[in-house]
Amino acid sequence: DVKVTQSSRYLVKRTGEKVFLECVQDMDHENMFWYRQDPGLGLRLIYFSYDVKMKEKGDIPEGYSVSREKKERFSLILESASTNQTSMYLCASSLRGLGYEQYFGPGTRLTVT
Amino acid sequence: AQKITQTQPGMFVQEKEAVTLDCTYDTSDPSYGLFWYKQPSSGEMIFLIYQGSYDQQNATEGRYSLNFQKARKSANLVISASQLGDSAMYFCAIIQGAQKLVFGQGTRLTINP
Repeated sequence: DVKVTQSSRYLVKRTGEKVFLECVQDMDHENMFWYRQDPGLGLRLIYFSYDVKMKEKGDIPEGYSVSREKKERFSLILESASTNQTSMYLCASSLRGLGYEQYFGPGTRLTVT
Repeated sequence: AQKITQTQPGMFVQEKEAVTLDCTYDTSDPSYGLFWYKQPSSGEMIFLIYQGSYDQQNATEGRYSLNFQKARKSANLVISASQLGDSAMYFCAIIQGAQKLVFGQGTRLTINP
């Protein structure tokens, strides 16, 4: 069965802390994505990666960075967490190509205080 | 840039009725795909149905069908014989060559017994 896992379901961090969100997929997918979801705004793409060590900015990359050292793992890094980064973070993966759906992880609800 | 608009923030439907969730899109690329995802209160994103821009027929998956009107740039989701378990957020999304999904704001569907 297809699976995308995220390191935490809930996370509470303090302003200024460095935060790592981990995502692992077991489907040998080339593409991996990080989104944040906020009420009324839908899902917005932060970064995506189409291969190991490759990354591209999404629509809202400011304040975030990513790392993909292995095909199955894609990490989202908040260099210095701020309260406006309190949100639900969703990781997804897919095969390369237009017609392939993205498979999502369960999400991490991050609260920055 | 591509854009998705879902104009219904919330919908209330009686159980066993059919329901149509609206989605309009904007793109200048002739090759694209449209997805619908369901997000129950548990938070996971569940893929429902896909329509490619060159597909000759409207997509169907069980009780889900997609009313694709290319000239009007609309891709409405139709759920036949609604069930209590259909209560959830529903997101329409568009994908193009860069393989990034752009999501709408979502529609919250509530099925009443």
